[in-house]
Amino acid sequence: NAGVTQTPKFQVLKTGQSMTLQCAQDMNHEYMSWYRQDPGMGLRLIHYSVGAGITDQGEVPNGYNVSRSTTEDFPLRLLSAAPSQTSVYFCASSQQQRPGELFFGEGSRLTVL
Amino acid sequence: AQKITQTQPGMFVQEKEAVTLDCTYDTSDPSYGLFWYKQPSSGEMIFLIYQGSYDQQNATEGRYSLNFQKARKSANLVISASQLGDSAMYFCAMRGGYNTDKLIFGTGTRLQVFP
Repeated sequence: NAGVTQTPKFQVLKTGQSMTLQCAQDMNHEYMSWYRQDPGMGLRLIHYSVGAGITDQGEVPNGYNVSRSTTEDFPLRLLSAAPSQTSVYFCASSQQQRPGELFFGEGSRLTVL
Repeated sequence: AQKITQTQPGMFVQEKEAVTLDCTYDTSDPSYGLFWYKQPSSGEMIFLIYQGSYDQQNATEGRYSLNFQKARKSANLVISASQLGDSAMYFCAMRGGYNTDKLIFGTGTRLQVFP
């Protein structure tokens, strides 16, 4: 009964370091996406994917990279961390037949010093 | 451009009373979807209810109903018989078109239910 699993839950980085947030879902959902949540701003879409091998940019893609080599996994890479990327990151998935009815992971809190 | 507006930063309601959380939207797409999500203090995001732009009837899911007024571009969430466990942040979101799960979220409303 895992659903959407994100790791790590907490991470502290120094400016300029790189890291990967992992996301895996076991529901065979076609759609996956990454959002960031900042205080007072709701959630903003970073990148999304409609299937293996297909990704596209969302509202705030700069500084992030994604790939989708399998249906299950959708990692988010921070290429060179900046303090502005301090945020809570959510991975989500949904069925193609019910787009937008998102199942979210528990979130990953990232602090960039 | 699409936009979601939630003008109530916080709301209070007494247990067992009904409460309405406001949401207005703006889009030029004729086909769109409107969603409400709940975020308890533990942090997870939980899908509550969905309304399609072509749906004739207002969506309902248990104690949640969506008051959809297309001409006014509003999609208010109504929670009936509030419970202490309803205390949380509530986010309204919109999807443009159909074959996409790209959502635009509002800034949220914090609901506090008191005994």
